[in-house]
Amino acid sequence: GQSLEQPSEVTAVEGAIVQINCTYQTSGFYGLSWYQQHDGGAPTFLSYNALDGLEETGRFSSFLSRSDSYGYLLLQELQMKDSASYFCAVRGPSGGSYIPTFGRGTSLIVHP
Amino acid sequence: EPEVTQTPSHQVTQMGQEVILRCVPISNHLYFYWYRQILGQKVEFLVSFYNNEISEKSEIFDDQFSVERPDGSNFTLKIRSTKLEDSAMYFCASSSTSGEGNIQYFGAGTRLSVL
Repeated sequence: GQSLEQPSEVTAVEGAIVQINCTYQTSGFYGLSWYQQHDGGAPTFLSYNALDGLEETGRFSSFLSRSDSYGYLLLQELQMKDSASYFCAVRGPSGGSYIPTFGRGTSLIVHP
Repeated sequence: EPEVTQTPSHQVTQMGQEVILRCVPISNHLYFYWYRQILGQKVEFLVSFYNNEISEKSEIFDDQFSVERPDGSNFTLKIRSTKLEDSAMYFCASSSTSGEGNIQYFGAGTRLSVL
């Protein structure tokens, strides 16, 4: 199976930069994804890393280090609307299948 | 913009009753998924479906659960005899590919309350 660890909560002020870390354990690795979820609404795909390094998409960037089983999501120029839960997810083997597993989510609170 | 549609938004049922949750995936997508999220907890994978059959399922997806694509547009999740612990938000998702970086588009969810 696989497991992921991420902080339960992160707070920051508007305009700042925040990093949400994710460490994972999996017997087979097929990339790390990040999703955003507002108030229990539909999760929204943000990014995917299969190879080491930084992927940048506008204000959001995601980083992966496969040797460290570690990744992070970087949010720049924080806005109030960025207050949400952020989940990292990996896809790996479980009981003969390959299923996606989500972390428990990090609640990001952005203050004015 | 195409979206995944789920109905109903909220379903209340008595323990032991059968429920069917409905989803209309994005029209040109071929891969369909169900997830659940118990209040305050993480999103958990239930099942994936492709070419009219289950491709993957988790340990949560036991004999009480079934999925079906009864026509060209709907994708349903049936819980045969609901238990209190089935109370959760159920999300349907679809994707155009199954590649490891596939982008899954989620519906707004159905909140299931089992009394």
